[in-house]
Amino acid sequence: GAGVSQTPSNKVTEKGKYVELRCDPISGHTALYWYRQSLGQGPEFLIYFQGTGAADDSGLPNDRFFAVRPEGSVSTLKIQRTERGDSAVYLCASSLNRGANYGYTFGSGTRLTVV
Amino acid sequence: DAKTTQPTSMDCAEGRAANLPCNHSTISGNEYVYWYRQIHSQGPQYIIHGLKNNETNEMASLIITEDRKSSTLILPHATLRDTAVYYCIVSSYSGAGSYQLTFGKGTKLSVIP
Repeated sequence: GAGVSQTPSNKVTEKGKYVELRCDPISGHTALYWYRQSLGQGPEFLIYFQGTGAADDSGLPNDRFFAVRPEGSVSTLKIQRTERGDSAVYLCASSLNRGANYGYTFGSGTRLTVV
Repeated sequence: DAKTTQPTSMDCAEGRAANLPCNHSTISGNEYVYWYRQIHSQGPQYIIHGLKNNETNEMASLIITEDRKSSTLILPHATLRDTAVYYCIVSSYSGAGSYQLTFGKGTKLSVIP
């Protein structure tokens, strides 16, 4: 597609439930990033994929968070036993390569609300 | 932590140039300066980036001081659609093969009719 697509755009879930958030990057982009943005804050890095592998997952807050990219294209962010503090906008971005000279293209995000 | 300092908010009259400053006094020689903006309810949008030379594209100009400790993003003729939060970011090598973008809180630019 022309841009980074994220689904769903909104997700409301009950505390303790499991959720999956999907990201379709721009075709051909090998690098994929997940960020989380809380109200009034800038986006916060979660995890970075180069191809199929998670090259840097240092931003994942705890082991309830996990992400996969099995075929090097679509990625899924998975959150187990959701807590109210997980409520945020989850942003996905992709770039052509991992180098410093490549800007990221972001999707519009998934707004997750845990009630 | 973000390696940049930006004013919390700025106003600009429609049609005038908007000059958004950013301090990055601890920038290293191989780190780039990126600018993104985020319009309400959308994902961040790439604007421009540079290493040490001034850069210009169809959206904006980026002026980097000779010592690279600060930069200015210039929107030459601001419109109401330029109202957004503008993030100045210094890319940092994460040590895992990626240049990570660490966002701060940015500058809320309001373009006034």
